[in-house]
Amino acid sequence: DGGITQSPKYLFRKEGQNVTLSCEQNLNHDAMYWYRQDPGQGLRLIYYSQIVNDFQKGDIAEGYSVSREKKESFPLTVTSAQKNPTAFYLCASGVWGGSEQFFGPGTRLTVL
Amino acid sequence: AQKITQTQPGMFVQEKEAVTLDCTYDTSDPSYGLFWYKQPSSGEMIFLIYQGSYDQQNATEGRYSLNFQKARKSANLVISASQLGDSAMYFCAMREATPNTGTASKLTFGTGTRLQVTL
Repeated sequence: DGGITQSPKYLFRKEGQNVTLSCEQNLNHDAMYWYRQDPGQGLRLIYYSQIVNDFQKGDIAEGYSVSREKKESFPLTVTSAQKNPTAFYLCASGVWGGSEQFFGPGTRLTVL
Repeated sequence: AQKITQTQPGMFVQEKEAVTLDCTYDTSDPSYGLFWYKQPSSGEMIFLIYQGSYDQQNATEGRYSLNFQKARKSANLVISASQLGDSAMYFCAMREATPNTGTASKLTFGTGTRLQVTL
């Protein structure tokens, strides 16, 4: 089935450790996105990528890094520089300039 | 300034009744798109409906319709014949043109409305 997968669903890390969240899509979409959601709030854009080997900062990129070596994959690294990393992270993909973004099931990151 | 405003943190509706979830937006871009997403307790975001700024008619998708009032900058979601499974968070989002490419794709989300459908 076509779709977006994110793994793991729940992730626990100690403070000061980097952690990488996986996002894979088989929808053949050029554009991919990472969002962060905090309790009671909407989604905020962290990074996005229009095409392989290219990505742009979103509204809250500080403390995060991404790579886009393959069309299907857009991993997000939460670095130790991110001051408050505990949140729900959602990956999405879509046709650039298209009318819809498809979302993965999300990863809930808890930093202890 | 808030680009997307959802003023109803929570709403209740009885099963089989209709409900309207409010959304107002702010943009100076003549070309934009408006979206509604549903987020159940499991967390995934489910696309419901889309309205383009140049669309002449209000969008409809099954029990969902979008009441688009361009002059008032509002894009309210109407759910008809509510079902227990409609209980979820609902987010309004807007897509504007990105400055560097001139094409629109980044979404800005509102803070959401929690809808509870009761018997």
